[in-house]
Amino acid sequence: QAQLQQSGPGLVKPSQTLSLTCGISGDSVSSDTSAWNWIRQSPSRGLEWLGRTYYRSQWYTDYAVSVKSRLTITADTSKNLFSLQLNSVTPADTAVYYCARRDNSGLTGLGAFDLWGQGTVVTVSS
Amino acid sequence: SYVVTQPPSVSVAPGKTASITCGGDNIVSKSVNWYQQRPGQAPVLVVYDDNVRPSLIPARFSGSNSGNTATLTISRVEAGDEADYFCQVWDNISDHPVFGGGTKLTVL
Repeated sequence: QAQLQQSGPGLVKPSQTLSLTCGISGDSVSSDTSAWNWIRQSPSRGLEWLGRTYYRSQWYTDYAVSVKSRLTITADTSKNLFSLQLNSVTPADTAVYYCARRDNSGLTGLGAFDLWGQGTVVTVSS
Repeated sequence: SYVVTQPPSVSVAPGKTASITCGGDNIVSKSVNWYQQRPGQAPVLVVYDDNVRPSLIPARFSGSNSGNTATLTISRVEAGDEADYFCQVWDNISDHPVFGGGTKLTVL
C-alpha cells in the first residue's frame, strides 16, 4: 500500500521561503504512470492546485499561474521524494499543504488524486 | 478557465439519500472525480470517472453526470458520512485540475 509522508516547518516568516518534502513509499517518484502534486487548502481559496512534477523519459514540471513565479517543485530520486519551495511568502500563503499522487495508469480513468499526504498546516507570520 | 460550482451545504437524516451536485458548463463532456474530507483529515477519493468507486469505497456511494450537472449520491446515509465533499475535473487545455468549493454534508 503506497503512502506519502510530509515533512516541513509549520511556521514561516513573511518574505521567507516555505519548504516542504513529501516522502514516497510503495511507489517511485520516477514512475511513468504517476504525477506528483502539491495542493493547498484554505478557507478563502478552498482546494488550490499548485503544481506537479512527473517523469516521462525526462522530468517535467507544471505550475499554477497564481504561484508560477514563486514556486519550484523538484524530485529527488535517491531519496524517493519530491519537494516544494515557495518563495517570498505572505500571510495569504497560510494554508494546509498536501502532497498528492495523480494516477495516470488508467486505473482511475483519466486520472484522479488517489493518494494524499497527511497535510501540513503552514502559518505565515512574524 | 473552467469553473465548477457546488452548494455550500446539504443536510440529510440518517438512512436517507443525500445528493451533492457539481455544476459546470457541459460538464457531461468531462470526467468528474469526487473526494470526501473528514475534519482534520486529507481528502479521500470516493468516485472517479463520473461513476466508478475505488475498491474500498462502499457501494452506497455512486455518481452520475449529465448535461451541466454531475451528482454524488450517498444512499442509506450514516453518521460517519458527515464530511466535506469536493468535485474535481481536468481543464481540457492546461490539464490542470479544477476543484469545486466543497459541500458540507450534515447528518441530522
